[in-house]
Amino acid sequence: AQSVAQPEDQVNVAEGNPLTVKCTYSVSGNPYLFWYVQYPNRGLQFLLKYITGDNLVKGSYGFEAEFNKSQTSFHLKKPSALVSDSALYFCAVRGGGYNKLIFGAGTRLAVHP
Amino acid sequence: GAVVSQHPSRVICKSGTSVKIECRSLDFQATTMFWYRQFPKQSLMLMATSNEGSKATYEQGVEKDKFLINHASLTLSTLTVTSAHPEDSSFYICSARPDSGNTIYFGEGSWLTVV
Repeated sequence: AQSVAQPEDQVNVAEGNPLTVKCTYSVSGNPYLFWYVQYPNRGLQFLLKYITGDNLVKGSYGFEAEFNKSQTSFHLKKPSALVSDSALYFCAVRGGGYNKLIFGAGTRLAVHP
Repeated sequence: GAVVSQHPSRVICKSGTSVKIECRSLDFQATTMFWYRQFPKQSLMLMATSNEGSKATYEQGVEKDKFLINHASLTLSTLTVTSAHPEDSSFYICSARPDSGNTIYFGEGSWLTVV
């Protein structure tokens, strides 16, 4: 069965500092991995994805994520956080022959001025 | 990126009535759409996979007779909450995957309040 773990309920970071939001996954076969961001009372916005190829993927708004197969991780990173990055971040996985996307519990990112 | 439109964004209905939420892919065709439910401060729970021209596939524990899904065209899926009760009040989000791609795009969500 597919599963995603986001071990941190909340991540706090000062503006201008680098940020990391962690994600690990479990899926049979090759995973398709995604990061989405959700602002209050809104739907989800696609940030980036890993399907195949280079392990470091770059996405929207300066975010990037690194696929690590041995650690089954797909951590989201940004070199310099902005206050406007404060939101709820979801990691998701699709794989094992399944069409559906399974989400982690979400991590709330709070960037302080 | 691809756009998924969801309507209405907010709806209030009385207990016992039915309410329909629409999900449209505006600039792409989607054989497959997905319906999620999200409780406050929680993750998204997949309710069902909507397949154009065939029956939806429901997740375990989701009542198919209560949450009717119709995927009548390649750009439209609807979720009808029948005989709504206050416990059905929630944020419902749809998503769609372009037939030619791997990324799944989400609508803006619909707030349902049953009074």
